[in-house]
Amino acid sequence: AQSVTQPDIHITVSEGASLELRCNYSYGATPYLFWYVQSPGQGLQLLLKYFSGDTLVQGIKGFEAEFKRSQSSFNLRKPSVHWSDAAEYFCAVVGNNDMRFGAGTRLTVKP
Amino acid sequence: DAGVIQSPRHEVTEMGQEVTLRCKPISGHNSLFWYRQTMMRGLELLIYFNNNVPIDDSGMPEDRFSAKMPNASFSTLKIQPSEPRDSAVYFCASSSNVGLETQYFGPGTRLLVL
Repeated sequence: AQSVTQPDIHITVSEGASLELRCNYSYGATPYLFWYVQSPGQGLQLLLKYFSGDTLVQGIKGFEAEFKRSQSSFNLRKPSVHWSDAAEYFCAVVGNNDMRFGAGTRLTVKP
Repeated sequence: DAGVIQSPRHEVTEMGQEVTLRCKPISGHNSLFWYRQTMMRGLELLIYFNNNVPIDDSGMPEDRFSAKMPNASFSTLKIQPSEPRDSAVYFCASSSNVGLETQYFGPGTRLLVL
């Protein structure tokens, strides 16, 4: 079965700084990959997804992610973080009609 | 579009009581998922339905948990009897196809079992 690893449990960045959240997956074929964001007390909101094609995917709120097959990674990036980006971020992988989520990375934004 | 609707948003109950969580998926979606989120175990898929039929319930923790989807617009997750370790946030999500399409999540039900 596929699996997802988010190596960083908690990341703190200053407002205006760049951000990269790491996601590594394990799956025998090309998976379908997602990034979700969860604000405190809220459900999960889809930021972006990769199914096929261009490996650099643009999402909402200025986020992007790049699929790198050779590294089995799908890292999330944002060039300039805003205070409202403070939340928990989940990477997810779908394969064989089974969806698995990573443990999440909590993002704190310093003023 | 109202999105996925879950009720109640918060539930506090005593150990041994029956708890029923409700979900209304997005109209037109034919797949529905129940998840549980805890600090210790993260986000876990409990069960999912496709066209109202349970496809995979391997994530259901115990026989105390049961889920039904009597029609395309309604699903329930029931815990009977409830235990303190069931305290968690339970999410419902729906999608237009199993697995391959994007899942849209509801706001969750925060359950506390005393």
